[in-house]
Amino acid sequence: AQRVTQPEKLLSVFKGAPVELKCNYSYSGSPELFWYVQYSRQRLQLLLRHISRESIKGFTADLNKGETSFHLKKPFAQEEDSAMYYCAPPGGTSYGKLTFGQGTILTVHP
Amino acid sequence: GAVVSQHPSWVICKSGTSVKIECRSLDFQATTMFWYRQFPKQSLMLMATSNEGSKATYEQGVEKDKFLINHASLTLSTLTVTSAHPEDSSFYICSARALLNEQYFGPGTRLTVT
Repeated sequence: AQRVTQPEKLLSVFKGAPVELKCNYSYSGSPELFWYVQYSRQRLQLLLRHISRESIKGFTADLNKGETSFHLKKPFAQEEDSAMYYCAPPGGTSYGKLTFGQGTILTVHP
Repeated sequence: GAVVSQHPSWVICKSGTSVKIECRSLDFQATTMFWYRQFPKQSLMLMATSNEGSKATYEQGVEKDKFLINHASLTLSTLTVTSAHPEDSSFYICSARALLNEQYFGPGTRLTVT
């Protein structure tokens, strides 16, 4: 079974500080990973996917196959970044199924 | 962007009755939709994969006779909680898979069984 670990359930930083949300996965194939974000009282939404290598809202994530990690980073956190973040590697080989990590609640203090 | 809707957004039903939840992709076709369950302050737990025109694939431990899934068209999947009991009270979320395997999520349905 695929596994994903987000070791920090809670993460607090001050505005302007760098932030890194950790994600480690186990997947035997070539992974296609995503980060999803859920702001307060809103639905889950896609933040970024590693295949596009894009930066969304200042966030980037680098896939490290050697360490099987896909950490999410932002150099200068903003208060509006406060949300729940989920790392989602594949949950299987078919139908684009995803396995969601337990999530990290990020709080950015003013 | 892609939009997924769910109906109803919340529902209260009596123990023993059945409840149907609809999931629609509004501006794209989705051959695959997913149904999740989310407990308070916890992550999403995948219940089943809904495939248009074929039977749903259930995750281990999910009762297929309890949670009936029908994917009648490329834009609609339904989840029916049959003979609901208080332990079925939860937040049910659907998503639709798009072309690059990203998932677009519905707003969720809060089910309370009394």
